[in-house]
Amino acid sequence: EVLLVESGGGLVKPGGSLRLSCAASGFTFFSHAMNWVRQAPGKGLEWVSSISSSSTYIYYADSVQGRFTISRDDAQNSLYLQMNSLRDEDTAVYYCARDPQGFNWFDPWGQGTLVTVSS
Amino acid sequence: DIQMTQSPSSLSASVGDRVTITCRASQSISSYLNWYQQKPGKAPKLLIYAASSLQSGVPSKFSGSGSGTDFTLTISSLQPEDFATYYCQQNYNTPITFGQGTRLQIE
Repeated sequence: EVLLVESGGGLVKPGGSLRLSCAASGFTFFSHAMNWVRQAPGKGLEWVSSISSSSTYIYYADSVQGRFTISRDDAQNSLYLQMNSLRDEDTAVYYCARDPQGFNWFDPWGQGTLVTVSS
Repeated sequence: DIQMTQSPSSLSASVGDRVTITCRASQSISSYLNWYQQKPGKAPKLLIYAASSLQSGVPSKFSGSGSGTDFTLTISSLQPEDFATYYCQQNYNTPITFGQGTRLQIE
């Protein structure tokens, strides 16, 4: 079974940092691009960042460019999102999601981890 | 950035109904369009990819069509478990963008 499990969310003050992790299992992690997608409370889905296999290509949404860094450790079957200079508007559930065929659709998704930015 | 606009934003229907949700892109995206279902408190689930391809394990009551700028998701014979929020997503280019969602409610 393909499984993605996020961790690392929590309460952080504006300007603070947080590192999210996504543990993958049940598939050949190294051969798949991976993504982070977030959802603010009561709002829709917003793509945050993607990383190709071998970390060759990395992309970010404008809203997080320069503040967030996506990375992966294929030996640990893990995806990461380092979030710095956090703002109130970064408050959301953060999902990691696999790109099954390299065409930028997402399946499956993890259960999500909640990040709350508040003073 | 490509804007994705869904209509309606909310929809009431009854068990057994057939419903159609529309998604319009701000520019042509060929068939680079995907549909997701999200239930409250749960992660989204992929239903349709490449505009009309049914994801493995998804019931055939779900179907997608369209190309260019206009796309539809049709759900036939609604069952209680189909009442959820549906999102379209373009994967034509980055930034990847989603529609605002269509909330399907029981009438």
